[in-house]
Amino acid sequence: KNQVEQSPQSLIILEGKNCTLQCNYTVSPFSNLRWYKQDTGRGPVSLTIMTFSENTKSNGRYTATLDADTKQSSLHITASQLSDSASYICVVNPMDSSYKLIFGSGTRLLVRP
Amino acid sequence: ETGVTQTPRHLVMGMTNKKSLKCEQHLGHNAMYWYKQSAKKPLELMFVYNFKEQTENNSVPSRFSPECPNSSHLFLHLHTLQPEDSALYLCASSPDLGYNEQFFGPGTRLTVL
Repeated sequence: KNQVEQSPQSLIILEGKNCTLQCNYTVSPFSNLRWYKQDTGRGPVSLTIMTFSENTKSNGRYTATLDADTKQSSLHITASQLSDSASYICVVNPMDSSYKLIFGSGTRLLVRP
Repeated sequence: ETGVTQTPRHLVMGMTNKKSLKCEQHLGHNAMYWYKQSAKKPLELMFVYNFKEQTENNSVPSRFSPECPNSSHLFLHLHTLQPEDSALYLCASSPDLGYNEQFFGPGTRLTVL
């Protein structure tokens, strides 16, 4: 069964610190892996999209990595800001279904001053 | 307005009420989606439309009835809902049903009493 598991479920860090969120998936083969940021009460917004052949993708202070051999991805946030407080969702796009995305449950991040 | 908009943003209804959720996209896309997001659970795909034609009904109960009059508008008609239907309902759009990024609206927070 295609699954996407994220850890930790929640995380609290101090403003200015770095953090790394993990995503393990069983989806295979897959076309791309995406990280979304979802503010409370809002819709998800795309941060990065990596194809199966890419190892890393950056978007400002956000850097995503992908290891297709171990089926793991991570999202690293550098110099966290209060506005980074949100849920971060890992999403895998299976190769056999272009629009049926497999979503993780998300990691809820709280950045404290 | 740009992007994907949804109205209302919040809705409280009784189990015997009939209400409708509206989604509008201003991106010129041809595919539109309804998702359900319950607390601490992954997004669940409900319906997919492509060029106004329904291409996916993910075993959704008949008390949810979608309507897509054109490629820019999507409705979700609700009647005789259950308390467990309380959730955030998200609309999304993409250029087509290929391996494209999906752009999400802000969602409608639905509470069924």
